[in-house]
Amino acid sequence: DQQVKQNSPSLSVQEGRISILNCDYTNSMFDYFLWYKKYPAEGPTFLISISSIKDKNEDGRFTVFLNKSAKHLSLHIVPSQPGDSAVYFCAATDNFNKFYFGSGTKLNVKP
Amino acid sequence: DAGVTQSPTHLIKTRGQQVTLRCSPKSGHDTVSWYQQALGQGPQFIFQYYEEEERQRGNFPDRFSGHQFPNYSSELNVNALLLGDSALYLCASSLTGSGYTFGSGTRLTVV
Repeated sequence: DQQVKQNSPSLSVQEGRISILNCDYTNSMFDYFLWYKKYPAEGPTFLISISSIKDKNEDGRFTVFLNKSAKHLSLHIVPSQPGDSAVYFCAATDNFNKFYFGSGTKLNVKP
Repeated sequence: DAGVTQSPTHLIKTRGQQVTLRCSPKSGHDTVSWYQQALGQGPQFIFQYYEEEERQRGNFPDRFSGHQFPNYSSELNVNALLLGDSALYLCASSLTGSGYTFGSGTRLTVV
């Protein structure tokens, strides 16, 4: 049973536009959420996180939104750049020992 | 500052064999977690080691075992390899209560 789902396997966006990546979860006990970015032949790298006590966290071009009632989070990238092209994973946890990952969304930012 | 180091980067094993993967955590990190990432999927939690003991385990059979050494480095052992064990194995280190830093992974192919 997959507790974190990313239903869009891929997304293509024009450079300069907004990229919106979505993630849904089923476990109401999750209280911390993260986004990771992964380039080919590299491990995932941490991008941004949000605690369940917040509904928004911003870091430069990246903003994560959390809707607890809908069990939904999204990552906004504005403006999108070609270097942002990668696979993005959302992850969730309730105890910092074990993280549940979605299956990833491959973002392609076209120049 | 060296990040998480995993070895080897690639290896090929025959079904039924045993394999050992190694991980050196980021300096200052005391916790090591192992994940399996099958093709097209997100990382799945195998187990986590802290203070040389397995602290939490995911839904993986006993063929998967691990160890953490006094210097915080860790090994993942898989016995009686199956074709389905072919995957990218990711090691992540952390300081208790914080997020992960991932290594680049070991690509295991079972033939």
